[in-house]
Amino acid sequence: GNSVTQMEGPVTLSEEAFLTINCTYTATGYPSLFWYVQYPGEGLQLLLKATKADDKGSNKGFEATYRKETTSFHLEKGSVQVSDSAVYFCALSPIKAAGNKLTFGGGTRVLVKP
Amino acid sequence: EAQVTQNPRYLITVTGKKLTVTCSQNMNHEYMSWYRQDPGLGLRQIYYSMNVEVTDKGDVPEGYKVSRKEKRNFPLILESPSPNQTSLYFCASSFTYAGGRPQHFGDGTRLSIL
Repeated sequence: GNSVTQMEGPVTLSEEAFLTINCTYTATGYPSLFWYVQYPGEGLQLLLKATKADDKGSNKGFEATYRKETTSFHLEKGSVQVSDSAVYFCALSPIKAAGNKLTFGGGTRVLVKP
Repeated sequence: EAQVTQNPRYLITVTGKKLTVTCSQNMNHEYMSWYRQDPGLGLRQIYYSMNVEVTDKGDVPEGYKVSRKEKRNFPLILESPSPNQTSLYFCASSFTYAGGRPQHFGDGTRLSIL
């Protein structure tokens, strides 16, 4: 079956520090990969996505590259802000599946201190 | 504004008392699904629907029912809630049921079953 593993948190950083959240996956076939962000008290919002090998998704200063050879989709941001404090979820959805099911990692809580 | 709306946002109830969590989307999306979020487990799919009158089980369907009588609505029914159903629930939708597409999430419903 499909699975997503991401680093456990919490990750605590100072403002302007570099952020990396590791994500690896196991999937049959060729999935689309996603990062979702959950701010306190809110639902999940799509942060970025990639649909094929070597694609780079980017948004709001965050980036992640679809690495087929290492089955990874690590999230990075060069300089975090307090407003980036949230829970981040890595997820996949098989492209050729009947049904757009998302398989999620366990989530990584990030806390950015001023 | 495009959105997925869940109600209620919070509910505390007792074992065995039937409850319904409503979900409505205004984007004319084909695909809708329910997830539950538990610490360290990420989000797991409960049920999904690929269109009106078409529903199917996800990974953790036990104790839940759904219906899709109209395209915009996808209520989640707990006929006899138990404490192990205490969780944070999210409804999500996407334009198509084809795999690999990002999904829009509601703001969540926190259920506490005593």
